[in-house]
Amino acid sequence: QSVLTQPPSVSAAPGQKVTISCSGSSSNIGNNYVSWYQQVPGTAPKLLIYDNNKRPSGTPDRFSGSKSGTSATLGITGLQTGDEADYYCGTWDSSLSAYVFGTGTEVTVL
Amino acid sequence: EVQLVESGGGLVKPGGSLRVSCVASGFTFSNAWMSWVRQAPGKGLEWVGHIKSETEGGTSHLAPPVKGRFTISRDDSKNTLYLEMNSLKTEDTGIYYCTTDPLLEDWGQGTLVTVSS
Repeated sequence: QSVLTQPPSVSAAPGQKVTISCSGSSSNIGNNYVSWYQQVPGTAPKLLIYDNNKRPSGTPDRFSGSKSGTSATLGITGLQTGDEADYYCGTWDSSLSAYVFGTGTEVTVL
Repeated sequence: EVQLVESGGGLVKPGGSLRVSCVASGFTFSNAWMSWVRQAPGKGLEWVGHIKSETEGGTSHLAPPVKGRFTISRDDSKNTLYLEMNSLKTEDTGIYYCTTDPLLEDWGQGTLVTVSS
């Protein structure tokens, strides 16, 4: 059972914006950097955002990350059909001494 | 280009053992911390554990659900990461991915482990 909570699904029309929340606690998000991963069904996850808001080379600037207190948010603007995937937040949990992932959010482009 | 290629998955009975491997290329493996992450069918991602580079002690750390049953090791001469799994349970079924620590930036394609009688 994950300690990071995400909405099960979000959806929007092409070109629109979606945000995905990731709620945790002081032992994880509150005191550690957050990453976001994109997983197209049937493929391996891909790092999308690290250190709360940094993009690896190859991540379009349509994707953005932010953190406030014990919550983090992933934003996707200019939604494209290729963005349909599952998205996971992740961070270290100091109490569990383990890396923890969020429950995952399915993004659907209407 | 970083490449991670897992192998060794398969069908094993509950209580059995299995070792999966991950061969790395395209980066200096001996300097890298490495992690294993698994995904049960239709479920989310779960971190299994990681291992430090040998220069930083080479020690491993495993998540509570697998501690005492799984072992992570590495052979830097072969650029290979291992996950030894013992006392397997049906809930250990899933795809096992190796990935580079600490950002989990690069991932292999995964290897499927099925624990079933």
